Amino acid sequence: ETGVTQSPTHLIKTRGQQVTLRCSSQSGHNTVSWYQQALGQGPQFIFQYYREEENGRGNFPPRFSGLQFPNYSSELNVNALELDDSALYLCASSPSGQSYNEQFFGPGTRLTVL
Amino acid sequence: AQSVTQPDIHITVSEGASLELRCNYSYGATPYLFWYVQSPGQGLQLLLKYFSGDTLVQGIKGFEAEFKRSQSSFNLRKPSVHWSDAAEYFCAGYGNKLVFGAGTILRVKS
Repeated sequence: ETGVTQSPTHLIKTRGQQVTLRCSSQSGHNTVSWYQQALGQGPQFIFQYYREEENGRGNFPPRFSGLQFPNYSSELNVNALELDDSALYLCASSPSGQSYNEQFFGPGTRLTVL
Repeated sequence: AQSVTQPDIHITVSEGASLELRCNYSYGATPYLFWYVQSPGQGLQLLLKYFSGDTLVQGIKGFEAEFKRSQSSFNLRKPSVHWSDAAEYFCAGYGNKLVFGAGTILRVKS
């Protein structure tokens, strides 16, 4: 059974650019959640996708957007990058639309904004 | 507002010593509660979870946690720490979304 995978592992962008991060969910999981983990902090919930629709959103501006595909993989897009967007971005999948089922986390994508 | 607080940023224990990591939550009702561990370069791994029932919860790797409603706490314990337990530990609560504490970095000295 393949776990949650994320790509790329590391990414460097400059302020104002756009970035797309990718996540492949664990087999059989139809729900994907994205988190931002700034240095020295715990992960913060960005949003969740369930069966290709957004199913909950945290306190993040609209320039953070996402997609979920029919195979339940997902993308996180961030427009107009700011320095404070530098963080580890974690993707987690779970087997239903209710996130209190166990979420399985990927290793993350480390984004650096210069 | 839903919040989870981990009062200790760093904790250092000797190998073989006991461990307790503190977690306090603030929710309108009792949330679901979790402990995760994160090693460098790794994603978060679930150690244990509390939904309801028995207030002492057993998890993987010899960890346990005790839910205390009167103290709004969900502290993680391990009777004997191994060097491989060195990592960052996160407490989390779920009301309508998963909310994490800021984490406690555990260092193990030999």
